[in-house]
Amino acid sequence: GESVGLHLPTLSVQEGDNSIINCAYSNSASDYFIWYKQESGKGPQFIIDIRSNMDKRQGQRVTVLLNKTVKHLSLQIAATQPGDSAVYFCAENMSYGQNFVFGPGTRLSVLP
Amino acid sequence: KAGVTQTPRYLIKTRGQQVTLSCSPISGHRSVSWYQQTPGQGLQFLFEYFSETQRNKGNFPGRFSGRQFSNSRSEMNVSTLELGDSALYLCASSRQGQGVTDTQYFGPGTRLTVL
Repeated sequence: GESVGLHLPTLSVQEGDNSIINCAYSNSASDYFIWYKQESGKGPQFIIDIRSNMDKRQGQRVTVLLNKTVKHLSLQIAATQPGDSAVYFCAENMSYGQNFVFGPGTRLSVLP
Repeated sequence: KAGVTQTPRYLIKTRGQQVTLSCSPISGHRSVSWYQQTPGQGLQFLFEYFSETQRNKGNFPGRFSGRQFSNSRSEMNVSTLELGDSALYLCASSRQGQGVTDTQYFGPGTRLTVL
């Protein structure tokens, strides 16, 4: 498959454990955030989003936490499965329109 | 509902040539954004089109251009290709992106290799 990033930080977790992926965003004026999952050879896939007027949002097996004080975003994946292995990106938006700034990504590796 | 489609999926060109990539957004989506993804630089924003007008532009040279048609389909063009233009080019669409930021959905990308 194609390499998304050659030297990405990697998080290795055991199957069934919970995963926490962190992201520091750059602009305190950012008001909308998205987590994407990218598998080898594919485009980024939307996982969950959150707006700046919230500090937590839950989806199916995923939770996003937003800490505006320290400009920090995290993605929690419950009961991690082998299919969760991928590169995860956070993206922030602060401007009118669809100009998103992406973080460098974290590679999640799920161990059997 | 069909997702974002991009054509072609793979492309090989030589330095100095030009290339045109195509993107069809999700039905009903009016905003189309383009990104370049490389292992070294990650995902970088190129430009965004809404209602046939370029609304936002990233920090790329003028060799990179785009357009959007009345049916919201978009094309991007890269002229005078350089080796460093080798990348995965991703298109993303959103419903309207006007007044409030909308969720973006990505296509599978076009893998461009410049020899």
